Amino acid sequence: EVQLVESGGGSVQPGGSLRLSCAASGFSFNNYWMTWVRQAPGKGLEWVANIKEDGSEKYYVDSLRGRFTIFRDNAKNSLYLEMKRLRVEDTAIYYCARDFQIPGYTGGWKHYYYYMDLWGKGTTVTVSS
Amino acid sequence: DIQMTQSPSSLSASVGDRVTITCRASQSISGSLNWYQQKPGKAPNLLIYAAVTLESGVPSRFSGSESGTAFTLTISNLQPEDFATYYCQQTHSIPRSFGQGTKLEIK
Repeated sequence: EVQLVESGGGSVQPGGSLRLSCAASGFSFNNYWMTWVRQAPGKGLEWVANIKEDGSEKYYVDSLRGRFTIFRDNAKNSLYLEMKRLRVEDTAIYYCARDFQIPGYTGGWKHYYYYMDLWGKGTTVTVSS
Repeated sequence: DIQMTQSPSSLSASVGDRVTITCRASQSISGSLNWYQQKPGKAPNLLIYAAVTLESGVPSRFSGSESGTAFTLTISNLQPEDFATYYCQQTHSIPRSFGQGTKLEIK
């Protein structure tokens, strides 16, 4: 079955650390960019970070760069999010998602369309004293 | 960063209605716009990508359109299972920002 399963969430005090994992199965994990998205309680979706197929490129939302690190282990078909110096406002459900890309052409210029076509169920992180 | 402004934030409609949700980008995103549906307690689900392309398995009552930096999700003949929250997302540049969401409720 094609799926993503997150784990590693839990309760942590402000200033603490946590590592989230996302186990992929049913598809060729090493052929896809992967993304983390989070959702604070009762709030909207926030794009957190993504990583290239081979891990050589990583991108973050500015507000989290330096505290959060995305990485992957293709031998284990796994994606990770290392979170440090956690704050109360980091409390959220964290989803991993598969990034799919297709080529597109606009005015003769080739580019790519990206979309997240497969999501995990999420793992909950609670930062509280 | 590109800002995505989604409207309305909430919407009441009845089964069988046709509804429209709009998303405006703060700059050109060359059609790199996706729509997701999220039901309570569930992960988001992709509906439309590249502004107008329906994801496989998504009912044809969902459609997307584009006019410059304005993007529209239209749901025709609303069904009970369509009452959910909808998000747009631009993937033209990093960070791949989402709109604030539109909660579609039963009237």
